[in-house]
Amino acid sequence: GAGVSQSPSNKVTEKGKDVELRCDPISGHTALYWYRQSLGQGLEFLIYFQGNSAPDKSGLPSDRFSAERTGGSVSTLTIQRTQQEDSAVYLCASSLVTFAGARPLHFGNGTRLTVT
Amino acid sequence: AQTVTQSQPEMSVQEAETVTLSCTYDTSENNYYLFWYKQPPSRQMILVIRQEAYKQQNATENRFSVNFQKAAKSFSLKISDSQLGDTAMYFCAFMIPEGAQKLVFGQGTRLTINP
Repeated sequence: GAGVSQSPSNKVTEKGKDVELRCDPISGHTALYWYRQSLGQGLEFLIYFQGNSAPDKSGLPSDRFSAERTGGSVSTLTIQRTQQEDSAVYLCASSLVTFAGARPLHFGNGTRLTVT
Repeated sequence: AQTVTQSQPEMSVQEAETVTLSCTYDTSENNYYLFWYKQPPSRQMILVIRQEAYKQQNATENRFSVNFQKAAKSFSLKISDSQLGDTAMYFCAFMIPEGAQKLVFGQGTRLTINP
């Protein structure tokens, strides 16, 4: 079946503009994550959704960042008033939730955001 | 807080050689998982191998194996008979299997396999 799909693949925006990044998880996956990969860095956790539970927003770097997940499926990450330091690859991952052990994560190909 | 350190920003070897990528981590937890992910130019993170901390036996997946030293908090990846397709960024990651199961990543090692 289809994997995790992210759009757009690349986005160039001007400083101060708002952007929306989209993630379509694998059908049936109740857990969804957003990670950010800045140039030359590893990935850093941003936010986690699981079913109808309140999301874990502990990784969002500022109040300019927000995310929602509609109907337990598609998720949108919104960055308001973009800054140059927001330039990064934003990766989405989804997983089935099991009650024991580590969940295998399925990553998308990411959105490369460039703020000029 | 947990941290993961990869001290080799770049490595380069010839095809068919064996290469070892280093990773150290810091945690006070006793139950955790360690992973190696590969990121080719497509940007998709691909799981290479994983290790459960309570298992003393080192994990192996075909040409990929790990050397897990729990007391030393070390988790190195060995790639045997390296192939051109192994060229990628490699990330070491740590995870506690509770709640959100957030991954904590190292900075990555860019591995190049030369023909």
